[in-house]
Parts: sequence; structure tokens; C-alpha cells
Amino acid sequence: GQNIDQPTEMTATEGAIVQINCTYQTSGFNGLFWYQQHAGEAPTFLSYNVLDGLEEKGRFSSFLSRSKGYSYLLLKELQMKDSASYLCAFMDSNYQLIWGAGTKLIIKP
Amino acid sequence: GAVVSQHPSWVICKSGTSVKIECRSLDFQATTMFWYRQFPKQSLMLMATSNEGSKATYEQGVEKDKFLINHASLTLSTLTVTSAHPEDSSFYICSAGFAGREADTQYFGPGTRLTVL
Repeated sequence: GQNIDQPTEMTATEGAIVQINCTYQTSGFNGLFWYQQHAGEAPTFLSYNVLDGLEEKGRFSSFLSRSKGYSYLLLKELQMKDSASYLCAFMDSNYQLIWGAGTKLIIKP
Repeated sequence: GAVVSQHPSWVICKSGTSVKIECRSLDFQATTMFWYRQFPKQSLMLMATSNEGSKATYEQGVEKDKFLINHASLTLSTLTVTSAHPEDSSFYICSAGFAGREADTQYFGPGTRLTVL
């Protein structure tokens, strides 16, 4: 079967670093996405990983290990505006998106 | 967790025809459903928000006569692309949400890939 899992909520301090993990199981895989969603807004695209390794994009980095069915999103130098929900989703062999339930990230001063 | 399904998963149609996409919340009642378009590796673009039993609210630039949304029950919303053209080819994703304290939580469907020839 297919499933995907990420923590429901995380809290971090402004200026710190936080890592949001995402684990998945699937027989067919066509990449993993991370999105940021502020309350009341549409999800915005953060990253797409299809090969193993770390991809860095400014303060945000995303890591993928296909053999372990594992990804993480790393946010550095946290800012208050980073308070949002972070969604991971993988694309299966039929090019359908399987979504995690989202991780609500709370940033404290 | 809450499950949202979409049907069909993919559809190919001729230019000028209409296509209906269904979005269902399988194990919960969704007071609000959202319809998005997504282009490859881009952010989801919100098209419209629909509440059960009332008319949908469309985002600026989205033609409501072209993209008909019906939210007839708490578990089903449909998006009909009327007189589809090749530029309507896209990945359409729905999500379902609750009113009340979980109003900021949305559960996303797997998407419907529309190709208009």
C-alpha cells in the first residue's frame, strides 16, 4: 500500500534551525514535493526531490533517501513569517500526488 | 486520517468538450472544498472555494462560467471544465476542510490530470 507520515506540529525559536521529517511507503515513486501553506492561502512550492541527496535553496534545504523512504525539510535562521503548515507529498507511479497531513510549525520569539 | 479522492485520475478529451471532475471526502464531512490548478513544479493556484449548499467563490481571473463548481453535499464537490481547450490542460487538485477549530487544515486529493487535444 501507500502511506505518508509527518509530525502534526512542531515548535521552534526565531533564529534557530528546524527539521521537518517525512516518511513514506510506496511501490512506485516519481519524486517528493514540499509545500508551505499559510492559513487561508494556497500552498506554495518549496522543493522537488527525485534523486537522493540534499538540495539547498537559500534558507530552505530538502533531503531525500529513496531507499529509506525518507525526506526532510530543513529551515535555517527561522523567521516569524516561517510560521505555517509544511506539506510533503510524493508522486506515485501513476503521477498522482499522495499528501501528508501537514506539519504546523509554530515560531516563538 | 482524513481521505479525499478524485475521479477520474486522468482524462484526455477533445477541444470543445466538457469534463467533470469529482472530489469526495471519504471518511468525513467537508464543509468547505477548494479547487486548485497546478503546473509542473509550481505552486498550487487556488481557483475557487466552495461551501456546501452555496455558490462557489472564485478567485480573480478564474472564469466562473467556464469552471462550474457544484458542492451539493458535505462529501462531494464537482468541477466541470466547459468547452475545454488545450490551454486548460493542467493538473487539477481539490482539497477538503472543516469549519471551526480545524478551519486551517486542508486534506488534499491526489489530483486529476486533464489533457485537452
